Amino acid sequence: RKEVEQDPGPFNVPEGATVAFNCTYSNSASQSFFWYRQDCRKEPKLLMSVYSSGNEDGRFTAQLNRASQYISLLIRDSKLSDSATYLCVVSPSGGGADGLTFGKGTHLIIQP
Amino acid sequence: NAGVTQTPKFRVLKTGQSMTLLCAQDMNHEYMYWYRQDPGMGLRLIHYSVGEGTTAKGEVPDGYNVSRLKKQNFLLGLESAAPSQTSVYFCASTGGRRTEAFFGQGTRLTVV
Repeated sequence: RKEVEQDPGPFNVPEGATVAFNCTYSNSASQSFFWYRQDCRKEPKLLMSVYSSGNEDGRFTAQLNRASQYISLLIRDSKLSDSATYLCVVSPSGGGADGLTFGKGTHLIIQP
Repeated sequence: NAGVTQTPKFRVLKTGQSMTLLCAQDMNHEYMYWYRQDPGMGLRLIHYSVGEGTTAKGEVPDGYNVSRLKKQNFLLGLESAAPSQTSVYFCASTGGRRTEAFFGQGTRLTVV
């Protein structure tokens, strides 16, 4: 099982719709979780951190389910500018700085 | 604020040539990373450093060497470039093991 798995998509979604995608991780001792956004041919940028209690930032909601080892990202009222690749990122547990582990990303296309 | 700066941004090498990619950060971060990104493969960790004078291997270290002589700089070297090293290379830094990563703009390397 890969460390971090995501559905690559693409997800084709009409503007204004709600879209959600999940990411599963294999290391049950993982401590930190993030969603990054990457636009075509650009560097990844932090979208939001994912806390145990879940968190919301405007139209974006992130959830963590430790029992099932997945995190989710929900985008409401999607905009054309939301088109991008969304990367799930998991940090290792203490005891070794292996770096952040990235999923391969989910490609989202918002259609007018 | 510059953040993380990578040089060069583009490079074409002939097979067997050598080159060094430079990553510089001005955020006083302890941790620095080199990733490569290939279509369908996501971001893969090449080498990382947890502080000045330290380096460690990541997931795909073969064919690369690194050095961290100064805290703000992390160099990635290719001693004898191969076509398989054609990729986009991203440098990143974090203040801690579980904190947000800041990325450079990437280096697009083509080996012919």
